[in-house]
Amino acid sequence: ETGVTQSPTHLIKTRGQQVTLRCSSQSGHNTVSWYQQALGQGPQFIFQYYREEENGRGNFPPRFSGLQFPNYSSELNVNALELDDSALYLCASSSDRGRPTDTQYFGPGTRLTVL
Amino acid sequence: GNSVTQMEGPVTLSEEAFLTINCTYTATGYPSLFWYVQYPGEGLQLLLKATKADDKGSNKGFEATYRKETTSFHLEKGSVQVSDSAVYFCALSVKAAGNKLTFGGGTRVLVKP
Repeated sequence: ETGVTQSPTHLIKTRGQQVTLRCSSQSGHNTVSWYQQALGQGPQFIFQYYREEENGRGNFPPRFSGLQFPNYSSELNVNALELDDSALYLCASSSDRGRPTDTQYFGPGTRLTVL
Repeated sequence: GNSVTQMEGPVTLSEEAFLTINCTYTATGYPSLFWYVQYPGEGLQLLLKATKADDKGSNKGFEATYRKETTSFHLEKGSVQVSDSAVYFCALSVKAAGNKLTFGGGTRVLVKP
């Protein structure tokens, strides 16, 4: 069973640029969630995708957008990068969009630095 | 709204000491509760979970009991090892929000030999 993978591992961008982060979900999982983890803090929910549709969004501005593909992999796009976007971005997959009892399996994350 | 409060760290212990990390929550609805662990440079790994009141989750010597009356889910381990050094996150999810997780701020644990 292949786990959740993310790419790239690290990324450095400058303010105002755009970035795309990628995530491959665990085999058999159709739901992908994205979280932002600022240094020294707990992860914050950005949004979730289920079968290529957005299924819930946290308190993040529209310049954070996403996509899910037919193979259930996903992208997170951030436009007009700001310094505060520097964080570890975590992707998590699960097998069912709606059950709070379900476990989410996390990838290793992408460390984004905005200069 | 939903929120999770954890004791602040860092918590520094000697090997074989007893570990407790306090976690309390506020939730609209009936939450499921989780403990995740993050080792240096890695993502989050599920440590244990409990989905209803009085359930006890356990894994790798760690335990936590879902206490609805005190809205708590404290993590305990009887004898820690150096390899337990990590950041521990308490989290919840509620039915109204699907399986979106709300996390606490994390507690860093350092175990010294």
